[in-house]
Amino acid sequence: AQSVAQPEDQVNVAEGNPLTVKCTYSVSGNPYLFWYVQYPNRGLQFLLKYITGDNLVKGSYGFEAEFNKSQTSFHLKKPSALVSDSALYFCAVRGSRSNDYKLSFGAGTTVTVRA
Amino acid sequence: KAGVTQTPRYLIKTRGQQVTLSCSPISGHRSVSWYQQTPGQGLQFLFEYFSETQRNKGNFPGRFSGRQFSNSRSEMNVSTLELGDSALYLCASSLADGSYNEQFFGPGTRLTVL
Repeated sequence: AQSVAQPEDQVNVAEGNPLTVKCTYSVSGNPYLFWYVQYPNRGLQFLLKYITGDNLVKGSYGFEAEFNKSQTSFHLKKPSALVSDSALYFCAVRGSRSNDYKLSFGAGTTVTVRA
Repeated sequence: KAGVTQTPRYLIKTRGQQVTLSCSPISGHRSVSWYQQTPGQGLQFLFEYFSETQRNKGNFPGRFSGRQFSNSRSEMNVSTLELGDSALYLCASSLADGSYNEQFFGPGTRLTVL
């Protein structure tokens, strides 16, 4: 069975400071990893994904994520956070095998960026 | 290109009733997945349809069912509603087969069971 852990319920940073949201995963075979963001009363918006290749993935709105196979991690990062980045962030994993096709989400991390 | 649409956006039902939620995927997308989001359980996978066939199913009771039509539109049905079914139900579509495709989510249907 596949699973995702987001160890921090909340992350608080000052505007202009680096932002990191942590994610670790467990899956059989090769992982397909995703980050989504959810604003209040909205659906989820896709930020970025890792399928294969370069371990550093760049996505929307200046976000990037680093895949680390040995640590089974896929942390989301932004060099300089904005107040508008305040939202709920979800990490998700999907396996490459047919019995792992469902997308499993972490519990989510609430990011608050203070001005 | 229009995004994923879900109807209705809000729904209030009473225990024991049944409900049908609708989802129209992005044009050209053939895979549709459904999720339940609650404060306590987070995002939980319900089922996924591809080309009118259920391909994956989560750990929900048989009261939760779904189907997909030939135009890729999907519906999910919940029968004999319980208070615990109150949640945001999200539909997501993706382009094709292949677990590496990202999913695009609709705004959700907020179901309240009284």
